[in-house]
Amino acid sequence: ILNVEQSPQSLHVQEGDSTNFTCSFPSSNFYALHWYRWETAKSPEALFVMTLNGDEKKKGRISATLNTKEGYSYLYIKGSQPEDSATYLCAFIGSARQLTFGSGTQLTVLP
Amino acid sequence: ETGVTQSPTHLIKTRGQQVTLRCSSQSGHNTVSWYQQALGQGPQFIFQYYREEENGRGNFPPRFSGLQFPNYSSELNVNALELDDSALYLCASSDGQTLNEKLFFGSGTQLSVL
Repeated sequence: ILNVEQSPQSLHVQEGDSTNFTCSFPSSNFYALHWYRWETAKSPEALFVMTLNGDEKKKGRISATLNTKEGYSYLYIKGSQPEDSATYLCAFIGSARQLTFGSGTQLTVLP
Repeated sequence: ETGVTQSPTHLIKTRGQQVTLRCSSQSGHNTVSWYQQALGQGPQFIFQYYREEENGRGNFPPRFSGLQFPNYSSELNVNALELDDSALYLCASSDGQTLNEKLFFGSGTQLSVL
């Protein structure tokens, strides 16, 4: 059973704060890592797919980094806005070519 | 809007019954995968279909089965429902089968087994 962990489990920040959270995954047999944002009552929305060690991806105020050798990825949100409130999920893909999701980080941005 | 639709949105069944959940993928997406999300957990991979053939399966018993059709629709069938099958079921479609592309998810079917 693959262990994909996300921390923190939940996070409250003030509007305008920058924040980051972590996804830890097995450092062997890495194939890809996905990040998704899931707002309440909506579908999970893809943010990034990362495949190479050292990858950095950016979409607006959200960015992500990847370290496959040590088995972690960081997601950063700069200048958080209330509309960033959502659950952020990472999913690891290894040699079995299946997505294994973490339990998510629930972000609440307070106005 | 992901272009992936699931039906029904909610469903209540009793233990021992059978259920069929449906998914309509984005046009042109040949891969569909299904996930079960229990409360407080991340989605768990059930299985994946590529061009109507199952090409990956997670740790779920054979009473979970699926079909994919040429018109980009698919089904998840669960036989002999158990109370622990109560969960949100998500389908996701993608263009290729390599999983280094983004998945496009539906909004899910909430299944309650009484």
